[in-house]
Amino acid sequence: GAVVSQHPSWVICKSGTSVKIECRSLDFQATTMFWYRQFPKQSLMLMATSNEGSKATYEQGVEKDKFLINHASLTLSTLTVTSAHPEDSSFYICSAPQGAILQETQYFGPGTRLLVL
Amino acid sequence: GENVEQHPSTLSVQEGDSAVIKCTYSDSASNYFPWYKQELGKGPQLIIDIRSNVGEKKDQRIAVTLNKTAKHFSLHITETQPEDSAVYFCAADTGYFGNEKLTFGTGTRLTIIP
Repeated sequence: GAVVSQHPSWVICKSGTSVKIECRSLDFQATTMFWYRQFPKQSLMLMATSNEGSKATYEQGVEKDKFLINHASLTLSTLTVTSAHPEDSSFYICSAPQGAILQETQYFGPGTRLLVL
Repeated sequence: GENVEQHPSTLSVQEGDSAVIKCTYSDSASNYFPWYKQELGKGPQLIIDIRSNVGEKKDQRIAVTLNKTAKHFSLHITETQPEDSAVYFCAADTGYFGNEKLTFGTGTRLTIIP
């Protein structure tokens, strides 16, 4: 299957700071990437759809000014958690569909664990 | 929107026995149903998927069945091994052509007892 990487794999930051997470498709191009959040022992919740060259689409209840998404190229999307607070601590996972047309087959990155102190 | 329910939430199986995880979905327009395996601290890994024009798909010890009329699909793992221990998620696609999204079930923690 396709390979998706994330960086960093884990990060600890102080409350009020911003954290940037990178998601890269290593062996294919992705015009669309998805960002999920997963709390301990819970399912994956879609936060937003990242679109190359255009604005991201956010799911209901997700603050777009807090979770900034930039899809600068066909292989890179970034999620910036601005003014992070302890309640933002979670496991953030990105995914990318390999297909250019049918986008339902998604390949996931290894995730980024964020801890806000 | 789509709602995906998954059962059971936890499952313990003796090594060598079979494991079955079931999911139901609500949106009759859904056509794609993947299953993901997630190990502790890692991202989900696609293990098998099925589309609505197929009733069953098998890949070695893993199989998935789909009943589109009843809107449920199941994951079957035969001859279970300790490395099968993980959390398994089912999902169903939503959205429209070229703009698909996935809605995930709540997960099943599978434990294989040696």
